[in-house]
Order: sequence, then structure tokens, then C-alpha cells
Amino acid sequence: AQSVTQLGSHVSVSEGALVLLRCNYSSSVPPYLFWYVQYPNQGLQLLLKYTTGATLVKGINGFEAEFKKSETSFHLTKPSAHMSDAAEYFCAVSDGDSSYKLIFGSGTRLLVRP
Amino acid sequence: GAGVSQSPSNKVTEKGKDVELRCDPISGHTALYWYRQSLGQGLEFLIYFQGNSAPDKSGLPSDRFSAERTGGSVSTLTIQRTQQEDSAVYLCASSLSGAGEKLFFGSGTQLSVL
Repeated sequence: AQSVTQLGSHVSVSEGALVLLRCNYSSSVPPYLFWYVQYPNQGLQLLLKYTTGATLVKGINGFEAEFKKSETSFHLTKPSAHMSDAAEYFCAVSDGDSSYKLIFGSGTRLLVRP
Repeated sequence: GAGVSQSPSNKVTEKGKDVELRCDPISGHTALYWYRQSLGQGLEFLIYFQGNSAPDKSGLPSDRFSAERTGGSVSTLTIQRTQQEDSAVYLCASSLSGAGEKLFFGSGTQLSVL
């Protein structure tokens, strides 16, 4: 069965610094990959998704992620962190047998220091 | 409605009682999901409804859990004889058609079993 690993339950960066949140999935290639974000006291919302085509995907608020099949990774990056980026980020991949079913990682809480 | 609506937002119950959680998806969305988010963990898939098809119940943790979706719209998740380990945030999401589509999440129901 598909599984998702997010390294680091908490990541702390300074405002203006690079944001890198790591996501790895198990060996079978999932059809779809997603990043969702949960801001404080808000519901989860889609940040970006990969389905087919270009492996570098751009999302909202300056975030992007690159699908690397050889590394089974889908890391999320942003060149310059902003205080408003403080939130919890979840990587999700579709299950190979049931592609409608999303398997979520345990989440990474991003802290942005002034 | 404008988004996915869940009620109640908070539910405190005593061990052994039954609870019902309600989800009102976005109008026109044929796919509806229930997930569970426990403290410090990712989202755990519970059940998936797609139109009039038989639901995928593979994520329900025990036979105390059941869900239905009436008229292809509103869904109710029922937990019978609640246990303390059932305490979690129960999230509902809907999407236009399922696989590969963006999920729109509700704000969740925080269930506390005393």
C-alpha cells in the first residue's frame, strides 16, 4: 500500500529564508501528488498538485514542488519565507489501486521567525 | 453553499454514547470523503462516496463506525458506543468528480470522548 513520509514535524526558518519541506512516498508511482496547507483556525486548502506533464509544479503564494520519480520525492519549496506562511503543510499522494483515495503524510508545521 | 459545511464544530460526549456528525458538501460535487485527524498525526481516510456507486468503506476502523449519504448530497458519519480513542477531528471533503481533483475541506468536527 502507498505510504507518505514527511521529514520533520516542525521546521523553523527566518523570514526571507528558503523554505524546504520534504515529502517522500513509497515505491509505486502514484498518479497524483498534492500539497495541502492548514492555516491556524482554518480548514485545509490545496496549495498545488501534480497530475501529468511538467514535473515542476507552481502553486499559490509562491510555493512550488518538483516530482522526482527517481527519488520518490515531491518536496515543497519557496524561495523567501513570509510570516504569513506559518502553517501546517500536508503532502498527499493518491493510492495506486484507488486513485480517488488520498494518503496523507503526518504534516510539517512551519514556523517563521521575524 | 459557498463551501463544505460540517456540524457540530465541537462535540463532547461520554464513553459509550452514540454520536452523529454531519457534512453538507458543495453543491454539484459528486465525490465526498470523510477523514480523521488525530493529534500529531496525518489525515486517516475513512470512507468515500461517489454519486450513486457503492461507497469505499475500507478505512472505517471498526463496525462501530458507519456513514451514509442521502440523495447524493448530505452525509452523516455515525459512531456507536464511542471510545476514548475515537477522540479526534473528523474532516469532510468534497470534490467535483473524485480522482485527481482538488478536495474542498470543511472546518471539521472536534470530537472529545470523556
